[in-house]
Amino acid sequence: GENVEQHPSTLSVQEGDSAVIKCTYSDSASNYFPWYKQELGKGPQLIIDIRSNVGEKKDQRIAVTLNKTAKHFSLHITETQPEDSAVYFCAATELYKAAGNKLTFGGGTRVLVKP
Amino acid sequence: GAVVSQHPSRVICKSGTSVKIECRSLDFQATTMFWYRQFPKQSLMLMATSNEGSKATYEQGVEKDKFLINHASLTLSTLTVTSAHPEDSSFYICSAQTGTTEAFFGQGTRLTVV
Repeated sequence: GENVEQHPSTLSVQEGDSAVIKCTYSDSASNYFPWYKQELGKGPQLIIDIRSNVGEKKDQRIAVTLNKTAKHFSLHITETQPEDSAVYFCAATELYKAAGNKLTFGGGTRVLVKP
Repeated sequence: GAVVSQHPSRVICKSGTSVKIECRSLDFQATTMFWYRQFPKQSLMLMATSNEGSKATYEQGVEKDKFLINHASLTLSTLTVTSAHPEDSSFYICSAQTGTTEAFFGQGTRLTVV
């Protein structure tokens, strides 16, 4: 089965700086890589995702890059703000599987943006 | 994005009783729903996958007689924790999807068994 490793587990940055979180996956069949933000006591919210037919995707201050050969993908947050403080999870799955898109999550990164 | 509503958000129950958690897709029909459990400061652990009208598929190590899942319609799935004990206290989260779309998550339910 799929295995997703996420680093670092905690990340403290100064407001305005960039934050980078990296994930590696093991199953070459995986073709969909979402990133979720989870605030305390709430469910995960999708913030950006990427499919294996592209190498990079950007949405305002958030970008994700994917290297299929190396089986790793990264989340980049620029100009961080205090409201970016949360736990971020990467995930991987193989879309179009009959059994449904069962996500495999990374261990999570606790991001703290210091004012 | 689509909305998934999970209810209740918090519940406290006595040891030995059962608790039902509901997960509803409000503006789309969910062919598949997933139930997760999350311990403090840990990642989401998939418990089971349910497809409308069929029996749920449980992950290894998850007791299907303890965690009853029903997906009776395309907009509602329920998780019942039977004969709950303090070790069942956790944060339970559902997600719903249709076809090959992204998964939408509920707000989660904090279960405390006393």
